[in-house]
Amino acid sequence: DAKTTQPPSMDCAEGRAANLPCNHSTISGNEYVYWYRQIHSQGPQYIIHGLKNNETNEMASLIITEDRKSSTLILPHATLRDTAVYYCIVRVRGKTSYDKVIFGPGTSLSVIP
Amino acid sequence: GAVVSQHPSRVICKSGTSVKIECRSLDFQATTMFWYRQFPKQSLMLMATSNEGSKATYEQGVEKDKFLINHASLTLSTLTVTSAHPEDSSFYICSASYVRQGETYEQYFGPGTRLTVT
Repeated sequence: DAKTTQPPSMDCAEGRAANLPCNHSTISGNEYVYWYRQIHSQGPQYIIHGLKNNETNEMASLIITEDRKSSTLILPHATLRDTAVYYCIVRVRGKTSYDKVIFGPGTSLSVIP
Repeated sequence: GAVVSQHPSRVICKSGTSVKIECRSLDFQATTMFWYRQFPKQSLMLMATSNEGSKATYEQGVEKDKFLINHASLTLSTLTVTSAHPEDSSFYICSASYVRQGETYEQYFGPGTRLTVT
């Protein structure tokens, strides 16, 4: 799996959009960009994933650059409950049950009142 | 759907004893489950991959005789920390592979188990 680079920490004001960047310059053509988050002392939670098109769901939007070397996770209206560590992971989308998810250090997002 | 549970959520044990952690897929069958360990202020580290009915595959540096993994059914995997020591105190998280839309597998994570060895 390709490696990712994320800022170690970010702050965001409550109610504003949180934009979390991720660099993945060595991503392969068949690798997807996945985002998970982990709220303190809980298991990771899946947020969104994409291959090359921008994606949106009820939690967030994912913007992937045209060259696929970087992406941005957008939480449109951050709340205090969005304070968590956000992990950007690139991986081949599982064609087998034993495809692993390997976590990097992630970005610790603090939403400030 | 695709809910994974762990039991117990917290456990305290004395040094030298063994402790078992259960990981269950509640509403789906999981051919493969994964075990992670997380120390304070660190990321999740994959320990092993367990396939139903076969021996687990351990990541480099993980002692297979210390961390015993059993995946006896499609809905249950257990991690037993044998002869636990204070340095084994950690947050243990499991995940289970679930095939979505009949073609691709995604991982769903349990809530974690906090182990404290005194």
